[in-house]
Amino acid sequence: IVLTQSPATLSLSPGESATLSCRASQGIGPYLTWHQQKPGQAPRLLIYDASNRATGIPARFSGSGSGTDFTLTITSLEPEDSAVYYCQQRTNWPPITFGQGTRLEIK
Amino acid sequence: EVQLVESGGGLVQPGRSLRLSCAVSGFTFDDYAMHWVRQFPGKGLEWVSSINWNGGDIAYADSVKGRFTISRDNGKNSLFLQMDSLRPEDTAFYYCTKSSSAGPRGWLDSWGQGTLVTVSS
Repeated sequence: IVLTQSPATLSLSPGESATLSCRASQGIGPYLTWHQQKPGQAPRLLIYDASNRATGIPARFSGSGSGTDFTLTITSLEPEDSAVYYCQQRTNWPPITFGQGTRLEIK
Repeated sequence: EVQLVESGGGLVQPGRSLRLSCAVSGFTFDDYAMHWVRQFPGKGLEWVSSINWNGGDIAYADSVKGRFTISRDNGKNSLFLQMDSLRPEDTAFYYCTKSSSAGPRGWLDSWGQGTLVTVSS
């Protein structure tokens, strides 16, 4: 299963909202995960099963979608939200596959 | 607090071997499947291998099948990745990750800090 993320890069200002897309090449139900990777750090879990926030993740982060189309929405952007965001599927294990990432820049 | 600490990375010549370790704490290790995921420098993420809670269900990416071996020691709360016949294209950060379930089909819910493997002559 191929995951395609768009856009590749997103540049926004603090306080704005970001919408990141992830499209699967075939249906994966709700089994889509979002990870955030800040510069120089390991990735960390943000959202699992399309819409469930991981422990400690602010309510500004929300996920939606099912089947082949998924969205990560981040409201009230803060400079610390600058990161690469990866979607990941586990339906078709093996393998686990990741999208190529969306780089979010907050300026 | 879940902690995953990788070790064993370094510079190695093509064709040689390296063994990565991941020491875990903060959860009951033998209740969860584990994975290795790698990241090529400046690039995206690639799944490498998975092992279920007791080692009875294992899978590898095609790119490493036959060269890498995943294992675990539940008594020592440790995950391993034996990497043989290393190639320059294996150069990457290697992350130990925890599944949300005993089987490998759970979501990845925790990541280690990564260890860098560089394959070069």
